[in-house]
Amino acid sequence: QSVLTQAPSASGTPGQRVTISCSGSSSNIGINTVNWYQQLPGTAPRLLIYSNNQRPSGVPDRFSGSKSGTSASLTISGLQSEDEADYSCAAWDDSLNGYVFGTGTKVTVL
Amino acid sequence: QVQLVQSGGEVKKPGASVKVSCKASGYSFTNYGITWVRQAPGQGLEWMGWISVYNGNTDYAQKFQGRITMTTDTSTSTAYMELRSLRSDDTAVYYCARHINGGISDWFDPWGQGTLVTVSS
Repeated sequence: QSVLTQAPSASGTPGQRVTISCSGSSSNIGINTVNWYQQLPGTAPRLLIYSNNQRPSGVPDRFSGSKSGTSASLTISGLQSEDEADYSCAAWDDSLNGYVFGTGTKVTVL
Repeated sequence: QVQLVQSGGEVKKPGASVKVSCKASGYSFTNYGITWVRQAPGQGLEWMGWISVYNGNTDYAQKFQGRITMTTDTSTSTAYMELRSLRSDDTAVYYCARHINGGISDWFDPWGQGTLVTVSS
């Protein structure tokens, strides 16, 4: 049972801006940093954003992350066909004393 | 390049145990931890726990405590995850990932290719 809530789906046309939200609580996002993972169909997850808004080398700059209070967001600016994937947020939860993932958002490029 | 290669798929009967391996290359194995995450069919990601390769300390998710053991072999740069008393709902793809501690935050990068464990009578 995920404690981080995401909308199950999002979509956009090529070039559009898409924002995915991740809602948590005071025991996770409210006090800890957020990471985002991308999972292309049939593949392992890949780190997309760490520490709320940092991009690992190799991740295109059209991906950006932010955090405010107990929520976080991932924005894809200039959606491309290869961005069609599942996106999951993640954070440490101090109450559960464990790492928690979001429910996941499937992004479709129309 | 940094890479994690996992062992092949397994089919187990309920009540049995499974041990999945994860061989690391391209970095200093003892400088990072290894995290294990699983994904049931059509479901989201679930963190199972992690092990510090440096000192062997482990931190397991509450859900798995008592039936999971994570270990490492620094001579072969390999991490292992053993799950016991398997049930049908343990059917999932199991991933290992390099656990990076950045001070005030942790993240997982890269991930292994995944190992499908099927529990069926």
